[in-house]
Amino acid sequence: DGGITQSPKYLFRKEGQNVTLSCEQNLNHDAMYWYRQDPGQGLRLIYYSQIVNDFQKGDIAEGYSVSREKKESFPLTVTSAQKNPTAFYLCASSFDRGYEQYFGPGTRLTVT
Amino acid sequence: AQSVTQLGSHVSVSEGALVLLRCNYSSSVPPYLFWYVQYPNQGLQLLLKYTSAATLVKGINGFEAEFKKSETSFHLTKPSAHMRDAAEYFCAVSLSARQLTFGSGTQLTVLP
Repeated sequence: DGGITQSPKYLFRKEGQNVTLSCEQNLNHDAMYWYRQDPGQGLRLIYYSQIVNDFQKGDIAEGYSVSREKKESFPLTVTSAQKNPTAFYLCASSFDRGYEQYFGPGTRLTVT
Repeated sequence: AQSVTQLGSHVSVSEGALVLLRCNYSSSVPPYLFWYVQYPNQGLQLLLKYTSAATLVKGINGFEAEFKKSETSFHLTKPSAHMRDAAEYFCAVSLSARQLTFGSGTQLTVLP
């Protein structure tokens, strides 16, 4: 079955540690996205990538980094510079920007 | 800049009653519009989309939405609510095939 996988579902880290969230898709989509979701704030775009080896900052990129070495994969690293990293992180993909996006199941990150 | 406003962060209906979730967008060009549903601790699932074809769009789970250009609205409706419809619903807009912008979401509660 085609879809988007994110792992792990739950992640716990100590403050000051970097952590990488995985996102893989087998939909043959060109574009991939990372969103952060906090209660009552909807979805905020962190980074997006339209093609391999290219990515752009979204609205809240500070403290995050990404890579896009393969079409299928778009990992997100939450660095120690991110002041409030505890959140629900969603990965999505689409054929192109502006078209409907398909979402993974999300990773809930808790930093203490 | 494109934007979307969802009126009412929380909506409660009785089981069997009409569901109406409101979405208004700002745009000077014809938009693409989407409704997504999110169940607790899960990713977003596409309910329906408007891409300049028929103004009344039917989606999954018995939901539909009507595009009204004069009112810049794309409200989501379902004739009869079911307990399983309890979730958070997001409206999203895309202008000229550019990136999606999401509303802040509406939490739907269905009362027995």
